[in-house]
Amino acid sequence: GQNIDQPTEMTATEGAIVQINCTYQTSGFNGLFWYQQHAGEAPTFLSYNVLDGLEEKGRFSSFLSRSKGYSYLLLKELQMKDSASYLCAGTGAGSYQLTFGKGTKLSVIP
Amino acid sequence: GAGVSQSPRYKVAKRGQDVALRCDPISGHVSLFWYQQALGQGPEFLTYFQNEAQLDKSGLPSDRFFAERPEGSVSTLKIQRTQQEDSAVYLCASSSSGQSTDTQYFGPGTRLTVL
Repeated sequence: GQNIDQPTEMTATEGAIVQINCTYQTSGFNGLFWYQQHAGEAPTFLSYNVLDGLEEKGRFSSFLSRSKGYSYLLLKELQMKDSASYLCAGTGAGSYQLTFGKGTKLSVIP
Repeated sequence: GAGVSQSPRYKVAKRGQDVALRCDPISGHVSLFWYQQALGQGPEFLTYFQNEAQLDKSGLPSDRFFAERPEGSVSTLKIQRTQQEDSAVYLCASSSSGQSTDTQYFGPGTRLTVL
């Protein structure tokens, strides 16, 4: 199965830019998702990457390098409401389940 | 439109009791997933349905866990003889088709506490 690794916690300042990294095993990899989860709430979909490169969606962008087994989520113009956990999740070829990392808890401070 | 809904949102059970957790997926979604999320961890896969067929139950931690989706819409996760280690948030997700690259949409979860 997939091993998904991401930092446990990060802190950033309101208005700044933050990059959350994620590494995974490349064997059998099929695609990579990023979800946002506020405390006590459901994970909500942010982005999906299957090809190498950067996908931009408003303040959020996600990057994937399949050869390096590496992805990152870039959050620009941070707002206090961006304080949440960010979950990196992969799918394997022929597998329907998502394998999640433990999540990165982002704290945005004034 | 309505998203994925789950009930109850919170459940407290005494050790040894049976519990049933319900999931209403997004209307028309073919695929349905159950995940277990311990405090401070990412969700972990339990089981997967495509319509009424349970195609993968490899993540169910023991034979005390049972899931069904008899008519291909609503699903129930049942836990028999609950143990303290079963305390977690149980998340349900659905996706529109049977493709592994589909986005999964999550419900708010049921927080189970076993005393």
